[in-house]
Amino acid sequence: KNEVEQSPQNLTAQEGEFITINCSYSVGISALHWLQQHPGGGIVSLFMLSSGKKKHGRLIATINIQEKHSSLHITASHPRDSAVYICAASGGGGSNYKLTFGKGTLLTVNP
Amino acid sequence: DAMVIQNPRYQVTQFGKPVTLSCSQTLNHNVMYWYQQKSSQAPKLLFHYYDKDFNNEADTPDNFQSRRPNTSFCFLDIRSPGLGDAAMYLCATSRDRGGRLGGYTFGSGTRLTVV
Repeated sequence: KNEVEQSPQNLTAQEGEFITINCSYSVGISALHWLQQHPGGGIVSLFMLSSGKKKHGRLIATINIQEKHSSLHITASHPRDSAVYICAASGGGGSNYKLTFGKGTLLTVNP
Repeated sequence: DAMVIQNPRYQVTQFGKPVTLSCSQTLNHNVMYWYQQKSSQAPKLLFHYYDKDFNNEADTPDNFQSRRPNTSFCFLDIRSPGLGDAAMYLCATSRDRGGRLGGYTFGSGTRLTVV
């Protein structure tokens, strides 16, 4: 079982819809990261969270440390938001420098 | 803008012919990482440098080597590329191990094709 689980694996939405991607983790962490990767492209770091909530434009990320759960929300989704969104945990287990990645959520936003 | 730059963006190499991928950063971060990402898989950490201190992952093949001549540059050398080494190679940096101080910054990646 992966230490970082994401759901859903695939998500299709219509432009303008509110989107939520969920992430749960089973290890103690120092921070939870949300990353974006366009097909065939590099990775862009969206958020790093250790508690509470962060907002950047139409993106909102929340984390509940007690429940070991984080969510990424996209308001007023747009076709350019289509990408793979990856949740990753750092500081877990004996390798505190490593990122443990979820399998990613492929988001497709249709016009 | 401060960033992590990987060159080239696309690299085609022949089976068995040594190849070097380059990563540079203007962030003055202490830690530089190399990840291998195969199609539809999560990135896999190959090794990282904390300053000049090299840290190899236990399951990284000997075929993969790295050099960090100074703070700004880090190179990934593949001594004898095989077909199984075709992948996206991602460079990342962080101020500290674990990215607690400001998270990670990733480059755009180099897509390696082995023919």
